[in-house]
Amino acid sequence: DAGITQSPRHKVTETGTPVTLRCHQTENHRYMYWYRQDPGHGLRLIHYSYGVKDTDKGEVSDGYSVSRSKTEDFLLTLESATSSQTSVYFCAISDPIVAGGPPVSYNEQFFGPGTRLTVL
Amino acid sequence: ELKVEQNPLFLSMQEGKNYTIYCNYSTTSDRLYWYRQDPGKSLESLFVLLSNGAVKQEGRLMASLDTKARLSTLHITAAVHDLSATYFCAALNRDDKIIFGKGTRLHILP
Repeated sequence: DAGITQSPRHKVTETGTPVTLRCHQTENHRYMYWYRQDPGHGLRLIHYSYGVKDTDKGEVSDGYSVSRSKTEDFLLTLESATSSQTSVYFCAISDPIVAGGPPVSYNEQFFGPGTRLTVL
Repeated sequence: ELKVEQNPLFLSMQEGKNYTIYCNYSTTSDRLYWYRQDPGKSLESLFVLLSNGAVKQEGRLMASLDTKARLSTLHITAAVHDLSATYFCAALNRDDKIIFGKGTRLHILP
């Protein structure tokens, strides 16, 4: 399972409340990702991190922020949850393969167990 | 902008039959990935295809890549019920982000 855990696994919250999801990995992987999965949309990238304190936006980043203060933890925060953020959230990790240049994430991703978030 | 399209999105088939899932992607990509997801579970990596003509096989599943046609296929041989799942393909875009297709829900009837 690549040593990835997510917490909480399930959460129900109300519109307007802040929510933080945690992804924890034990194998020192450099790259970490947050995705959301919704019926009919597959997986969509929210944010990703390529190292401690290095993060970047994905395709659906509005309403989300992330932080990575240490290698093993990648936090996803919904500052003010909305019903449209009801979804299943997956964390993933990978490692870069250096091919004569800056490290890039060419390797396959391994996914955590997911967090089911319901915003009422 | 890289887009990944799978077809079919839903597939119901009999045990013992063969079938193919198609994955088209819109721009050049260096990597093509296939994942499996069981209901309520996480995604499991099946194959990573790295170059034109690449073919990988695991049991009854075989994946191939044609970079000129921007097409990958996942072929199922003599399907069994245990292969019922949702299969995702994904491709690496020029910004090194992995873009997923919407998935193919495969239901194999006994």
